[in-house]
Amino acid sequence: DGGITQSPKYLFRKEGQNVTLSCEQNLNHDAMYWYRQDPGQGLRLIYYSQIVNDFQKGDIAEGYSVSREKKESFPLTVTSAQKNPTAFYLCASSPSSGANVLTFGAGSRLTVL
Amino acid sequence: AQSVTQPDIHITVSEGASLELRCNYSYGATPYLFWYVQSPGQGLQLLLKYFSGDTLVQGIKGFEAEFKRSQSSFNLRKPSVHWSDAAEYFCAVGVEAGYSGGGADGLTFGKGTHLIIQP
Repeated sequence: DGGITQSPKYLFRKEGQNVTLSCEQNLNHDAMYWYRQDPGQGLRLIYYSQIVNDFQKGDIAEGYSVSREKKESFPLTVTSAQKNPTAFYLCASSPSSGANVLTFGAGSRLTVL
Repeated sequence: AQSVTQPDIHITVSEGASLELRCNYSYGATPYLFWYVQSPGQGLQLLLKYFSGDTLVQGIKGFEAEFKRSQSSFNLRKPSVHWSDAAEYFCAVGVEAGYSGGGADGLTFGKGTHLIIQP
């Protein structure tokens, strides 16, 4: 079955460390997205990519980085510059950019110790 | 840029009772509207969407939503809730392809409504 796989499900990090969250899709979707979810804040867009080797900042990109070297993969690195990294991170994809149905992964919960 | 408001942070409904979750949006062009549901610790699942046409849209799990342009609303309804409907519900607005009126690509989400079902 097609879908989006996020790993790891849970991740613990010490302050000052960079961590990378994996997102892989086998839906043949062109567009991919990373959202951050905090209690009572809804989902906020971190980065998105409409095509391989291209990506744009979302609303809260500071302290994060991404790459899109392959169509099916869109990893997110949470750097030490991110002041409050503890959150639930959701990866999504859609067939193309613009208003489209997003398919979401199951999420990764990052906790900074 | 577009925005979404879900006025109710929490809603408690008795099992078997009817449900209405409110959603208001702000957007300068024709809105593309969505409702998603999220179980604890999980990703989001699409309930229904509105792109154009009939303003009353049917979704999965017995949910429906009505687009009212005059009120900038897209409220979600269900005639009789089940205990399994307890979850977080998100309304979202999307930018149409090629729109360059500002805001990033992808969907803009409301802050969510937490639905509690009483036995």
